[in-house]
Amino acid sequence: AQKITQTQPGMFVQEKEAVTLDCTYDTSDPSYGLFWYKQPSSGEMIFLIYQGSYDQQNATEGRYSLNFQKARKSANLVISASQLGDSAMYFCAMREGPGGTSYGKLTFGQGTILTVHP
Amino acid sequence: KAGVTQTPRYLIKTRGQQVTLSCSPISGHRSVSWYQQTPGQGLQFLFEYFSETQRNKGNFPGRFSGRQFSNSRSEMNVSTLELGDSALYLCASSGMTGGRGYTFGSGTRLTVV
Repeated sequence: AQKITQTQPGMFVQEKEAVTLDCTYDTSDPSYGLFWYKQPSSGEMIFLIYQGSYDQQNATEGRYSLNFQKARKSANLVISASQLGDSAMYFCAMREGPGGTSYGKLTFGQGTILTVHP
Repeated sequence: KAGVTQTPRYLIKTRGQQVTLSCSPISGHRSVSWYQQTPGQGLQFLFEYFSETQRNKGNFPGRFSGRQFSNSRSEMNVSTLELGDSALYLCASSGMTGGRGYTFGSGTRLTVV
């Protein structure tokens, strides 16, 4: 069964500094996709970044990058130059199945609350 | 283009009642999935529909059901509400390809009293 583990219930970072949010996963399927979402207090889940299991390079999206270590089954999110608006809950999620598809069940971790201090 | 629309945003129901939540996906998206979010259990998958067919179902009791219409709009229904059904219910729509294809709505916050 697929499983996502986020071991940091809460993280604090100073504005303009970088922060890493940890995520490890477990799956027996060789094809899978890893996602990071941001959930502000309003409740909406905002897509941040995606990494496919066969992608050769780590994904990057603006200030977000994904440190993908396949052998260690980890997919850590790195946020560079933190901003006050980055304060939110962050979820790591995984979908098993062929790469490039965006349908199917997502399994989420428990989330990490990030607080950015001025 | 318009995002995923979930209605209503907030709902208060009494134990034993039933409730129907609605989700309108992004135009052109044919897949809609539903998730329940609670402080204790986190985000849990309810079900997924594609072209009016349920493709996948999570581990929830039969009181939770859903359907999808020909225009891809989806509804989920919870019958005989229990206090534990109080949660944020999130809907996500997705196209066929692309890792960034899941787009979530703002959710419906259901409170059962």
